[in-house]
Amino acid sequence: AQKITQTQPGMFVQEKEAVTLDCTYDTSDPSYGLFWYKQPSSGEMIFLIYQGSYDQQNATEGRYSLNFQKARKSANLVISASQLGDSAMYFCAMREGRISGAGSYQLTFGKGTKLSVIP
Amino acid sequence: NAGVTQTPKFQVLKTGQSMTLQCAQDMNHNSMYWYRQDPGMGLRLIYYSASEGTTDKGEVPNGYNVSRLNKREFSLRLESAAPSQTSVYFCASSGGQGVGYTDTQYFGPGTRLTVL
Repeated sequence: AQKITQTQPGMFVQEKEAVTLDCTYDTSDPSYGLFWYKQPSSGEMIFLIYQGSYDQQNATEGRYSLNFQKARKSANLVISASQLGDSAMYFCAMREGRISGAGSYQLTFGKGTKLSVIP
Repeated sequence: NAGVTQTPKFQVLKTGQSMTLQCAQDMNHNSMYWYRQDPGMGLRLIYYSASEGTTDKGEVPNGYNVSRLNKREFSLRLESAAPSQTSVYFCASSGGQGVGYTDTQYFGPGTRLTVL
């Protein structure tokens, strides 16, 4: 089974409107972290927002917020007031396991959602 | 502060040729990673290194070797390139500690490799 599922291959949104990008995850570990990255057409991977499994509140970073529904195992990214520069691929990723000192924690990525912002 | 840098940006190889992709980070991170990105596949982990002197296999290690040269540098080597290794390769690093630490990975700009 896929650990990270992004069911929307492509999305369109009107400039200045809000958009939600879906992400569901699958893990049996009680400790995990969820990340969203943006990949514009130039190709770089840009970190947007993080949500920990024990975080009580939904994460927010400027126009980005994460709608975290633990029981449903979903971590949807909400972009408010879309801008033309938001057109990009968006990837959801998960780190399983509790962080405890030194070590590497692998990320598992979804296949991404291509967001197009229409003027 | 350059973050994570990768060289080269583009490379074309013939089947059977070898090459090394270079990665360096200036964030004093302990952990470094190599991913490949294929169309429609997201990013998949090739190898990672938790600290200087240690390396471990990821999801798709076959056909690759890595070297953690020092804390800053982590290289990926293709000994005998195959067309199936045509991909975009990303290096990433993470590190830090303390309250609120999330182990966020920060990525380099990528290397676009074509194997003919």
